[in-house]
Amino acid sequence: QKEVEQDPGPLSVPEGAIVSLNCTYSNSAFQYFMWYRQYSRKGPELLMYTYSSGNKEDGRFTAQVDKSSKYISLFIRDSQPSDSATYLCAMRVSNNNDMRFGAGTRLTVKP
Amino acid sequence: DTAVSQTPKYLVTQMGNDKSIKCEQNLGHDTMYWYKQDSKKFLKIMFSYNNKELIINETVPNRFSPKSPDKAHLNLHINSLELGDSAVYFCASRLQGLGGNTIYFGEGSWLTVV
Repeated sequence: QKEVEQDPGPLSVPEGAIVSLNCTYSNSAFQYFMWYRQYSRKGPELLMYTYSSGNKEDGRFTAQVDKSSKYISLFIRDSQPSDSATYLCAMRVSNNNDMRFGAGTRLTVKP
Repeated sequence: DTAVSQTPKYLVTQMGNDKSIKCEQNLGHDTMYWYKQDSKKFLKIMFSYNNKELIINETVPNRFSPKSPDKAHLNLHINSLELGDSAVYFCASRLQGLGGNTIYFGEGSWLTVV
């Protein structure tokens, strides 16, 4: 079993839809949880990060962490064609330099 | 002003050749990485350098050798290239400590071995 599991998709939604992206993990020591967005032919860029359990909202994006279930989610409201990208979850243990990435979910938002 | 820059962006080379990819960051970060992203988009860490010292070396063949002449540079040298080395290689950097969750990635180097 991989340490971080993420459905690679692809996921295709109409413009304006609510998108839900998810990752599960096996290492209960992970404390920091991140979502990266990667456009085609570009490097990943940090979208959001959350420490431990809870929710965090930033504009149309909401990140949720449920440590008891070892499950994290990223919600995108009112999705736009410009949101079309690959979304990678990432996580690391506090005071540990190693960050583990999920496989990435490819999202397409159709106008 | 590119924060993390890597060259070349595209590289096509024959099996058996030796090639290098260069990386520089101007963010003043103390930790730099090399990641490999395969055709399925899976991003896997290869090396990590903290203040010029290697601190992670995931099970990468010894044909791959990172070299860090200073804190701002981390180059990747690959000997005897194989077909399976074809991938996108990303350089990245981070500042350790509180708030150091942001890893800044370069644009990637697309390596194709023929």
